[in-house]
Amino acid sequence: DSGVTQTPKHLITATGQRVTLRCSPRSGDLSVYWYQQSLDQGLQFLIHYYNGEERAKGNILERFSAQQFPDLHSELNLSSLELGDSALYFCASSVSSGNTEAFFGQGTRLTVV
Amino acid sequence: GQNIDQPTEMTATEGAIVQINCTYQTSGFNGLFWYQQHAGEAPTFLSYNVLDGLEEKGRFSSFLSRSKGYSYLLLKELQMKDSASYLCAVRALLAGTGTASKLTFGTGTRLQVTL
Repeated sequence: DSGVTQTPKHLITATGQRVTLRCSPRSGDLSVYWYQQSLDQGLQFLIHYYNGEERAKGNILERFSAQQFPDLHSELNLSSLELGDSALYFCASSVSSGNTEAFFGQGTRLTVV
Repeated sequence: GQNIDQPTEMTATEGAIVQINCTYQTSGFNGLFWYQQHAGEAPTFLSYNVLDGLEEKGRFSSFLSRSKGYSYLLLKELQMKDSASYLCAVRALLAGTGTASKLTFGTGTRLQVTL
């Protein structure tokens, strides 16, 4: 158990809908990263938050947004869902934004039908 | 931007040694990580290099050459449970942000260990 909690574990929804994925980082970790992993693909970096502030943005679609709350948990919002958004969404946390490894949650498997 | 290259697939025999290479191009290099990922599961941290040289941790070792933009992960005494994807990830400092950095993953090397 990495200490990073993601909910829900599985999510099935229809095209055009909006969903929210939730991540609770390890206790004491200030950094939260979101990644998307499509079937048989590598991890694609979406966005990084540090202590409530956005620090880096990857190839994140405009239909997607995220935030980190004062209690350091984070939410990834996906709207106007398309079939191609079906993927595993991982959250990772680390102590700081510096030279420390990131620990991953178990992911949320999103299926858009 | 960043560019990370790893072989797509490798096969090795149980008990053998395998080396998985990773080459990268980035500005603001601030460390290289190796992760293991079993299908459908979360990546788990294996090793970290920020200075040139070899880091050894049990059956796993990782090497870094910053001047060559090159790293490898060495797995010894292979076991069937080592069949997984191995992800090379590069951390780079973001220009003008102080300590903010981005961790970028390669697409991973799928290792199959056979009898």
